Amino acid sequence: DGGITQSPKYLFRKEGQNVTLSCEQNLNHDAMYWYRQDPGQGLRLIYYSQIVNDFQKGDIAEGYSVSREKKESFPLTVTSAQKNPTAFYLCASSGRGLDADTQYFGPGTRLTVL
Amino acid sequence: GENVEQHPSTLSVQEGDSAVIKCTYSDSASNYFPWYKQELGKGPQLIIDIRSNVGEKKDQRIAVTLNKTAKHFSLHITETQPEDSAVYFCAASKGRLTGGGNKLTFGTGTQLKVEL
Repeated sequence: DGGITQSPKYLFRKEGQNVTLSCEQNLNHDAMYWYRQDPGQGLRLIYYSQIVNDFQKGDIAEGYSVSREKKESFPLTVTSAQKNPTAFYLCASSGRGLDADTQYFGPGTRLTVL
Repeated sequence: GENVEQHPSTLSVQEGDSAVIKCTYSDSASNYFPWYKQELGKGPQLIIDIRSNVGEKKDQRIAVTLNKTAKHFSLHITETQPEDSAVYFCAASKGRLTGGGNKLTFGTGTQLKVEL
């Protein structure tokens, strides 16, 4: 069953702790993305990667870090430097050719920092 | 950078009526405009998209129109049904095909409620 998986669905952490959100895809997509969604707002781009071992900052990268060691995986670390980490985090991926512009989203991880 | 504005923020219609959601964008280089539907607690799902070389696109009850000169695009849903109730987001990008890295800029969303 092809798609994008994110785990866990809900995550609780204490303030000051780093936390890593998982994103895996079996669509053979080259590009992967991380977005943050706050209540009543649109999605904002945190980081994106167009190819393995390469990634670029999005609009709100401060306090976050990523890695892209495998094509299938694009984990996001929310560090203690992120001032307001509580949010809904969405991972997406896109393919090649005519499908290169279409981003497909995972189910999301809701992070709550206590 | 790109800025996308979306209106209205909430929209309530009677079942069977039409719904229209409008977006404007600021960067004339943007050429790809997707629409996503997001149900509560889930990830957004692409419902339709349009490129700048096309003025209108239809898929059953859903249609999107694009006016490049005015830099606005709209989502039209006809014969609305209760299952259409969700949050709808518009977005814009320069597209990866043109080397834009496909950075999508999203609108702030429209909560559509279809009442029986």
